[in-house]
Amino acid sequence: GQNIDQPTEMTATEGAIVQINCTYQTSGFNGLFWYQQHAGEAPTFLSYNVLDGLEEKGRFSSFLSRSKGYSYLLLKELQMKDSASYLCAVRDSANQAGTALIFGKGTTLSVSS
Amino acid sequence: DSGVTQTPKHLITATGQRVTLRCSPRSGDLSVYWYQQSLDQGLQFLIQYYNGEERAKGNILERFSAQQFPDLHSELNLSSLELGDSALYFCASSVAGGLGNTEAFFGQGTRLTVV
Repeated sequence: GQNIDQPTEMTATEGAIVQINCTYQTSGFNGLFWYQQHAGEAPTFLSYNVLDGLEEKGRFSSFLSRSKGYSYLLLKELQMKDSASYLCAVRDSANQAGTALIFGKGTTLSVSS
Repeated sequence: DSGVTQTPKHLITATGQRVTLRCSPRSGDLSVYWYQQSLDQGLQFLIQYYNGEERAKGNILERFSAQQFPDLHSELNLSSLELGDSALYFCASSVAGGLGNTEAFFGQGTRLTVV
């Protein structure tokens, strides 16, 4: 089975840096994904990690440690529009879920001015 | 626009009824995934189809079923609806089997309200 944990809520101010953590336990591992979801809208892809280390994409970076079952999403220079839910998802190579992404419950980030 | 199209956007129906949700994947994507999102459960994987065949099942109830047609569009059928089935239903698609750095692209969802 799979278990994915992330904090329920976080708050931050404009211009700040925030780190959203995700821990996971899966039977197998074939990649970790981060998605952003604004309320009532579709999730949109942010980043992908399959090897240990940091992947940087503009203001967003994602880190993975496979041995620790741990990832984080780092958001820099926060803007009001970054207020959204951030979803951590794992692809489980044990094939119990095919190639589907299994999602955590998401972290709701509120950015204030 | 992700390229994944879902219809209808909103659906209101009564308990005990049956509804069909429709999804057209991105051009060229062979895999279709269905997810249910309710406030307290987050995004729950229901079922995957790949090139017309069922590939994997997640937390899908027996009252729910899906299929993928030769033109690769998919339908999710929900029957004997209960109040607790009220949720956002998302369809996602990905290239081929979805391995490697192949993220899933999500449609805008169908908001189902059971009254």
